[in-house]
Amino acid sequence: AQSVTQLGSHVSVSEGALVLLRCNYSSSVPPYLFWYVQYPNQGLQLLLKYTSAATLVKGINGFEAEFKKSETSFHLTKPSAHMSDAAEYFCAVNNNYGQNFVFGPGTRLSVLP
Amino acid sequence: EPEVTQTPSHQVTQMGQEVILRCVPISNHLYFYWYRQILGQKVEFLVSFYNNEISEKSEIFDDQFSVERPDGSNFTLKIRSTKLEDSAMYFCASSEAPVSSYEQYFGPGTRLTVT
Repeated sequence: AQSVTQLGSHVSVSEGALVLLRCNYSSSVPPYLFWYVQYPNQGLQLLLKYTSAATLVKGINGFEAEFKKSETSFHLTKPSAHMSDAAEYFCAVNNNYGQNFVFGPGTRLSVLP
Repeated sequence: EPEVTQTPSHQVTQMGQEVILRCVPISNHLYFYWYRQILGQKVEFLVSFYNNEISEKSEIFDDQFSVERPDGSNFTLKIRSTKLEDSAMYFCASSEAPVSSYEQYFGPGTRLTVT
């Protein structure tokens, strides 16, 4: 069975500081991994995805994530936080045997001026 | 850019009533999904649908729930007799293919409040 954990339900950073949102997965087969962002009162928007090509994946809005099989991790980073990055971030996993995503519990990112 | 739309944005209903949540997936997508997010909790898969059939469903998707594609554009989720615990945000999603590497495109959600 697949599962996703996200360490830290709430992360606060100062504007311009590094953003690091953690995601660890459990999957019995090589996974496909996704990061989605949810702005207030909006749906889920895809930030980036890992599908077994390059382990370092670049997404929209300056975000990137690195797949580390040995650590079963897919942490999301952004070098410099912007106020507009304040949102809820969800890590999700899928594999070849299921159509549906399994989502992590989410991390709320606050960006302080 | 094509997007998934959902109506209504907010639905308030009394316990025991039937509700229908509507979604218009992206036009060339063939695979459709419903997820829900109870306030403060994670997004949970309910059901996937392809070729007018349910492909997969979770334990949450019991006999009170049903899905339908009544025409070429709409995809609906019906809750036959709502319970208080059905209060949640319901997201519709669609994808081009069921292959796991394809992302799913999500709608803005319908907030269902059961009183």
